[in-house]
Amino acid sequence: RKEVEQDPGPFNVPEGATVAFNCTYSNSASQSFFWYRQDCRKEPKLLMSVYSSGNEDGRFTAQLNRASQYISLLIRDSKLSDSATYLCAVKQNNDMRFGAGTRLTVKP
Amino acid sequence: DTEVTQTPKHLVMGMTNKKSLKCEQHMGHRAMYWYKQKAKKPPELMFVYSYEKLSINESVPSRFSPECPNSSLLNLHLHALQPEDSALYLCASSQDEGTSETQYFGPGTRLLVL
Repeated sequence: RKEVEQDPGPFNVPEGATVAFNCTYSNSASQSFFWYRQDCRKEPKLLMSVYSSGNEDGRFTAQLNRASQYISLLIRDSKLSDSATYLCAVKQNNDMRFGAGTRLTVKP
Repeated sequence: DTEVTQTPKHLVMGMTNKKSLKCEQHMGHRAMYWYKQKAKKPPELMFVYSYEKLSINESVPSRFSPECPNSSLLNLHLHALQPEDSALYLCASSQDEGTSETQYFGPGTRLLVL
């Protein structure tokens, strides 16, 4: 079983749609959680950290469920510029593990 | 400024060559990382340096040799690589090695081993 698992997609949605991604992790000792965005042939860029209480940044909302060991990302009012691969990342101490990413394409 | 720089951007090398990848950050971060990413795969952690000391080596073959000359620089020395080592090599840094610290990535070096 992979340490961090994501649905690879692709998710193809129209502009303005709401889309949600889930990510599950196997290490119950994981301490920190993040969502990164990676454009084609570019480096991962931090989208947001994920806190136990849930957190929101504009159109993006992240949730953490420690009991079920999953994190989620909700994107509202999708824009064309949201098209990218979204990687969840799970960290214990200094060791960060990434999911394989979920590919999102937002179409006009 | 959350910038991590890496050179070169692209590198082609033969299996008998010796080359080095360089990473630099001027954010005062004390933890630096090397990751390897193959196409359509997640980044995989290779090495972690904390306060210029190697703290994690994820069982990486000895043909990859990291070096941290100072707190701003991280090198990855390459020798006798195999074609399967072709990948995007990403450097990252974080303020400290704490669990909640965010890692910031450089643009990567795209390596092709012939």
